[in-house]
Amino acid sequence: AQSVTQLGSHVSVSEGALVLLRCNYSSSVPPYLFWYVQYPNQGLQLLLKYTTGATLVKGINGFEAEFKKSETSFHLTKPSAHMSDAAEYFCAVSSNSGNTPLVFGKGTRLSVIA
Amino acid sequence: DGGITQSPKYLFRKEGQNVTLSCEQNLNHDAMYWYRQDPGQGLRLIYYSQIVNDFQKGDIAEGYSVSREKKESFPLTVTSAQKNPTAFYLCASSKQMGQGLNQPQHFGDGTRLSIL
Repeated sequence: AQSVTQLGSHVSVSEGALVLLRCNYSSSVPPYLFWYVQYPNQGLQLLLKYTTGATLVKGINGFEAEFKKSETSFHLTKPSAHMSDAAEYFCAVSSNSGNTPLVFGKGTRLSVIA
Repeated sequence: DGGITQSPKYLFRKEGQNVTLSCEQNLNHDAMYWYRQDPGQGLRLIYYSQIVNDFQKGDIAEGYSVSREKKESFPLTVTSAQKNPTAFYLCASSKQMGQGLNQPQHFGDGTRLSIL
């Protein structure tokens, strides 16, 4: 069975500071990994995804994530936070074999302080 | 533009009533999903469907029912058996599911259900 753990239900950063949102996964097979963002009262929007190949993945809005197999991690980063980045972020994992839906983490709420 | 439409955006239910949440997609996706979102609990899978006339229970299917008569539509009924239905409900779709073709799921903007 696959699972996702997001460390920290709430992260607060100053505008212009580094954003680091942590995600660790558990999977018995090579994983596909995703980060989504959710703004209030809206659905989820895909930020970036890792399937195979390059382990550093760049996404929209200046975000990137690095797949580290040895650490079973897929942390999301952004060098400089903007006020518009305030939202909830979800990490998700799926398998490249079998027929199972994505498994989501519980989310991390990012606050950006002016 | 293609996308997923959920309606209504806000819905109120009286005790003992069934209510149906609509989800329509024009992305020509085979797979569709329903999630429930509660504060601090992330997304929990209610039901999913990989093809017309077929669907599977997710992690919290009790008190819910679905149908998949058309590829474009996947309505969710919250029955009176669901004791705590107040939540934000999200519908999603993907091109396919599994077998190396896990496509990122596209989401609707959700329906917020409240009990009167």
